[in-house]
Amino acid sequence: GENVEQHPSTLSVQEGDSAVIKCTYSDSASNYFPWYKQELGKGPQLIIDIRSNVGEKKDQRIAVTLNKTAKHFSLHITETQPEDSAVYFCAASIKGGSYIPTFGRGTSLIVHP
Amino acid sequence: NAGVTQTPKFQVLKTGQSMTLQCAQDMNHEYMSWYRQDPGMGLRLIHYSVGAGITDQGEVPNGYNVSRSTTEDFPLRLLSAAPSQTSVYFCASRGQGRTDTQYFGPGTRLTVL
Repeated sequence: GENVEQHPSTLSVQEGDSAVIKCTYSDSASNYFPWYKQELGKGPQLIIDIRSNVGEKKDQRIAVTLNKTAKHFSLHITETQPEDSAVYFCAASIKGGSYIPTFGRGTSLIVHP
Repeated sequence: NAGVTQTPKFQVLKTGQSMTLQCAQDMNHEYMSWYRQDPGMGLRLIHYSVGAGITDQGEVPNGYNVSRSTTEDFPLRLLSAAPSQTSVYFCASRGQGRTDTQYFGPGTRLTVL
């Protein structure tokens, strides 16, 4: 099955800095890559996603890039703010009937004011 | 439109007890899933369903049962609780499209003594 590796497990930045979280996947059949943000005490919430026919996608301060050849994708957050502090999960979804995503282990992002 | 709801929010069990975690969604989603979240382990899939009457095992199914008699409800049953099942449990649902957003419930924090 699919295996998703996520790094780093913890990321500490100063407010205004950029943050980058990287993920790799193992199954070349995966073609959908969502990113989730989980705030303390809440369930994960989708923040951005990318499909395998697209190399980059941006939404305000958040961007995701995908390198299909290398089987890795990254989340970029620019001009970080304290409210960006949360756990971020990447995921990869395999082609097939259920499209149940496999999640990375998460990155705890801490933005210091 | 309440989205995905889970009850209870917190639960303490003794080893050997059984209980059911409830999950309901009002978005008419076909796909529903149960995950457990443990520190440093990310989100691991327990069971999932692709429609009423259809369920399948995920990565960590042992000790859990599910059924899907209606589109709306997807309860998770712990047959004989063990301390290793202490975790936070999330239910999620998704529409039928390959890249439809997966929505998570707020979670149930379960402690088994």
